[in-house]
Amino acid sequence: KQEVTQIPAALSVPEGENLVLNCSFTDSAIYNLQWFRQDPGKGLTSLLLIQSSQREQTSGRLNASLDKSSGRSTLYIAASQPGDSATYLCAVNPNAGNMLTFGGGTRLMVKP
Amino acid sequence: EPEVTQTPSHQVTQMGQEVILRCVPISNHLYFYWYRQILGQKVEFLVSFYNNEISEKSEIFDDQFSVERPDGSNFTLKIRSTKLEDSAMYFCASKREQGRWNTEAFFGQGTRLTVV
Repeated sequence: KQEVTQIPAALSVPEGENLVLNCSFTDSAIYNLQWFRQDPGKGLTSLLLIQSSQREQTSGRLNASLDKSSGRSTLYIAASQPGDSATYLCAVNPNAGNMLTFGGGTRLMVKP
Repeated sequence: EPEVTQTPSHQVTQMGQEVILRCVPISNHLYFYWYRQILGQKVEFLVSFYNNEISEKSEIFDDQFSVERPDGSNFTLKIRSTKLEDSAMYFCASKREQGRWNTEAFFGQGTRLTVV
């Protein structure tokens, strides 16, 4: 059974810092991995989708990497801003299955 | 920009009552999903729906749950007899493609269900 873990569970950084969020998964047989942002009490906003054949995907200040064989992905946020404060979730889509399996999220606070 | 819309945003119901949560997926999407998130816990998959039938469901999705696409735009989740433990945020999601040509999943803003 696929398990997705995110470390750290919470992170507090000063504004302007570059940071890395980690996601690991136990079964490397995945089609893709998706990163989401969730604001308190709100829905999930898709940030980046990395297909299993890709190593990296970029959108603005965000860069996500994928190492499928080792079951790891990272989300790099450059020059963090207070508006980046939210919970970041990663989710994998397995080859055998039409659903996403989510990690528990990293709660990020960026202090001005 | 196209988005997944869910109604209502918040629903309070008494234990044992039936509730219907509604979703309008993105119009050219073919795959539809319901997920839930109990407060403080992970987002969990409930069911996927394609070509007017359930394609997969989790062990959470028991006989108390059902899904329907009653017309060309709406996608509903019905809980027949709600229990206290059904209290959660329910998310609808849609996707254009699955499998080898997998595309991004887009989520709605959620319906917060409170069972009292």
